Amino acid sequence: NAGVTQTPKFQVLKTGQSMTLQCAQDMNHEYMSWYRQDPGMGLRLIHYSVGAGITDQGEVPNGYNVSRSTTEDFPLRLLSAAPSQTSVYFCASSPRGRGGEKLFFGSGTQLSVL
Amino acid sequence: AQKVTQAQTEISVVEKEDVTLDCVYETRDTTYYLFWYKQPPSGELVFLIRRNSFDEQNEISGRYSWNFQKSTSSFNFTITASQVVDSAVYFCALKGRIGNEKLTFGTGTRLTIIP
Repeated sequence: NAGVTQTPKFQVLKTGQSMTLQCAQDMNHEYMSWYRQDPGMGLRLIHYSVGAGITDQGEVPNGYNVSRSTTEDFPLRLLSAAPSQTSVYFCASSPRGRGGEKLFFGSGTQLSVL
Repeated sequence: AQKVTQAQTEISVVEKEDVTLDCVYETRDTTYYLFWYKQPPSGELVFLIRRNSFDEQNEISGRYSWNFQKSTSSFNFTITASQVVDSAVYFCALKGRIGNEKLTFGTGTRLTIIP
């Protein structure tokens, strides 16, 4: 089982460049989300989606866009990269069960913005 | 608003010692779910346990045990007879009521087991 697949694993950008982090899951999960992990701050929610065509902001959405055109894919777009976006990014998914479903995480993308 | 506090930033213990990682949470929901995840040096996030707010039974899984106390809003994690492979960052997390799928993480505790 592939689970949650994130690409790329590593990326270096220059300030002002744009790019898209890809996330795909093959478990038919309704819920998908993006987190960023920074030292001493844990994981913080950027954007999430409860189904195709539905997205919403998390705790730290500024500078990021998302869309959910299919159940499987949930790309994260950096519109104009800034050094403050240097971080490790995790995509996650879960089914919409009766509540309290655990999140399945991708392996992460380490992004450096110079 | 939800909040998870892991006051211990870093802990080091000698192999075979027992160690407890603390987790304190805040939520206004009456139904909620608590999680622990492990992040080994390789960087992936590994699910360890989920507990719902109606189940205060302690859980034991091998060398791992969890103590959930609603009275103190705590969900502590104990590793018995620690091993070097337990070295990792451990995150406690909280998910609120049904329909609120957002997971709020604590800042994590970095555990180092010294051989």
